[in-house]
Amino acid sequence: DAKTTQPPSMDCAEGRAANLPCNHSTISGNEYVYWYRQIHSQGPQYIIHGLKNNETNEMASLIITEDRKSSTLILPHATLRDTAVYYCILTVSLYQGGKLIFGQGTELSVKP
Amino acid sequence: NAGVTQTPKFRVLKTGQSMTLLCAQDMNHEYMYWYRQDPGMGLRLIHYSVGEGTTAKGEVPDGYNVSRLKKQNFLLGLESAAPSQTSVYFCASRWRVEDTQYFGPGTRLTVL
Repeated sequence: DAKTTQPPSMDCAEGRAANLPCNHSTISGNEYVYWYRQIHSQGPQYIIHGLKNNETNEMASLIITEDRKSSTLILPHATLRDTAVYYCILTVSLYQGGKLIFGQGTELSVKP
Repeated sequence: NAGVTQTPKFRVLKTGQSMTLLCAQDMNHEYMYWYRQDPGMGLRLIHYSVGEGTTAKGEVPDGYNVSRLKKQNFLLGLESAAPSQTSVYFCASRWRVEDTQYFGPGTRLTVL
């Protein structure tokens, strides 16, 4: 079973920030939080990941709470091309090959 | 670099037929994965490999076999296809377990 909980859908106005929440209350100390997105049945695309500290790259920012039980993915200026299903995933430990367990994700709709 | 490629892109089978899906990566990655995605659902792991000559079962391995004879290739076989195996199949690879997983474009398989 997926170890994360996400809202099934969200809307965002074009040009505004999209804030996608994720709960992972049973996260282990060595588990990373990964975010992927899937645009219209294409292969999932990596966005960002983090362990404890907040992270930022050219696509997004990741805010992880101090207790690591939840996180938020921020797309600072959402565009129509950001419409996709966003998955928050915890990496499984090393001995299981680092496999990703996908949940249902959040379907983000960016509207003009 | 071509990244992760999958062959074929589409395939229609009759119940009981067999086929092999090929995943190839040119990034010298150690880890490779096969997922399936059914409509409206997240990806589910079928099998994975942590290096050349190794394979392991994922969440939904029944009805599938895999082989990793060469580091760059990961083959997924269906010995006797069933309608329940109608799905989109994604391959992925990564260099180390803590690194990003890169996904292929997918193979759409229909079993009649």
